[in-house]
Amino acid sequence: AQRVTQPEKLLSVFKGAPVELKCNYSYSGSPELFWYVQYSRQRLQLLLRHISRESIKGFTADLNKGETSFHLKKPFAQEEDSAMYYCALRGTGNTGKLIFGQGTTLQVKP
Amino acid sequence: KAGVTQTPRYLIKTRGQQVTLSCSPISGHRSVSWYQQTPGQGLQFLFEYFSETQRNKGNFPGRFSGRQFSNSRSEMNVSTLELGDSALYLCASSLSPRGNEQFFGPGTRLTVL
Repeated sequence: AQRVTQPEKLLSVFKGAPVELKCNYSYSGSPELFWYVQYSRQRLQLLLRHISRESIKGFTADLNKGETSFHLKKPFAQEEDSAMYYCALRGTGNTGKLIFGQGTTLQVKP
Repeated sequence: KAGVTQTPRYLIKTRGQQVTLSCSPISGHRSVSWYQQTPGQGLQFLFEYFSETQRNKGNFPGRFSGRQFSNSRSEMNVSTLELGDSALYLCASSLSPRGNEQFFGPGTRLTVL
């Protein structure tokens, strides 16, 4: 079964603390993994994708195929990072269908 | 470049009615996908259209249908509305099905009474 699991509904940290948002997936094949973010009153937007191997707003994510994980990390959280974060999977084949996790709310306290 | 637009933004219907939601993709984007977002089920894929053809369909009943026009605009229709259809319906567009990024619209908030 194709599934994305984000075990934490809410993650609360203090400003300057490290952040790790967990994402595990189940897929038989080589999927593409993404992190999407939704700030308050804004649209869902792409944060980063595993094949880009880039850092966006200080966030990075490494695809671990052995552990089927794609955790999102940032060494020093900022208050403006407070948002809802969704991990998503796109399978193989000529389709753009995204399978989303349930999302994790990141709350960065001052 | 204008983003993805969805109309209407809010809609209130009663059980048994039908509803049509509209999505205008970013200019030049030919792929449109629809998602349903609810507190309980999260974001779930409804359908995907490319060049006026449905490429993929999610696990939703036949009451949910959609189409795409030659200008890439898309509509989705829900017939015989049920209370459980209350949700935020999101549309996303990309250049092609495997495009680098899907750009999401603001959504249509449907409330079924």
